[in-house]
Amino acid sequence: DTGVSQNPRHKITKRGQNVTFRCDPISEHNRLYWYRQTLGQGPEFLTYFQNEAQLEKSRLLSDRFSAERPKGSFSTLEIQRTEQGDSAMYLCASSVGQVRTGELFFGEGSRLTVL
Amino acid sequence: AQTVTQSQPEMSVQEAETVTLSCTYDTSESDYYLFWYKQPPSRQMILVIRQEAYKQQNATENRFSVNFQKAAKSFSLKISDSQLGDAAMYFCAYKEGGSEKLVFGKGTKLTVNP
Repeated sequence: DTGVSQNPRHKITKRGQNVTFRCDPISEHNRLYWYRQTLGQGPEFLTYFQNEAQLEKSRLLSDRFSAERPKGSFSTLEIQRTEQGDSAMYLCASSVGQVRTGELFFGEGSRLTVL
Repeated sequence: AQTVTQSQPEMSVQEAETVTLSCTYDTSESDYYLFWYKQPPSRQMILVIRQEAYKQQNATENRFSVNFQKAAKSFSLKISDSQLGDAAMYFCAYKEGGSEKLVFGKGTKLTVNP
């Protein structure tokens, strides 16, 4: 399967714990995105990487959230000191860039439940 | 801030019939793009159709077409000859030309009845 891969698919944690999600984009895609989706809502943009550079970051991304893409391939999203309001589906997507702007290829998501 | 509104939380259609999903958006920009994404149950979101704001011609992709009314800031999706596999959440999304951020609406849940 050469699609966008996200791990773990489900994570249950206690409030105050740290969690990390991993995203492996489609190999030839240089752009990578993180979105958050809560129940009954559309995805909300969190951040965007072009290669290893983090070029856009939402104000939703508080200082407890950090994302990296160290070698321009896979990316990690870490949430420190989790809160119940962080419970959501975290979606990763990748794209080839401006040629087909806005055409994102999404993974199946990582669902976070904070108890 | 740009907003995207989908006023129909749920819609249903009979198999082989036609259904139209509504979307309005708010922007002061002239360079932007509009999209419809489909999210089947427990599966990843996929792009259905995209429209560049500078193009007057409405986009079509097989059974899917849009009605883009730029002055009214309206972007509806028409699904013709509906199939059971079309059942999903449909999200309208907006992107400014100079940004990589997609702004999504809350979605419309489409049910296709056999």
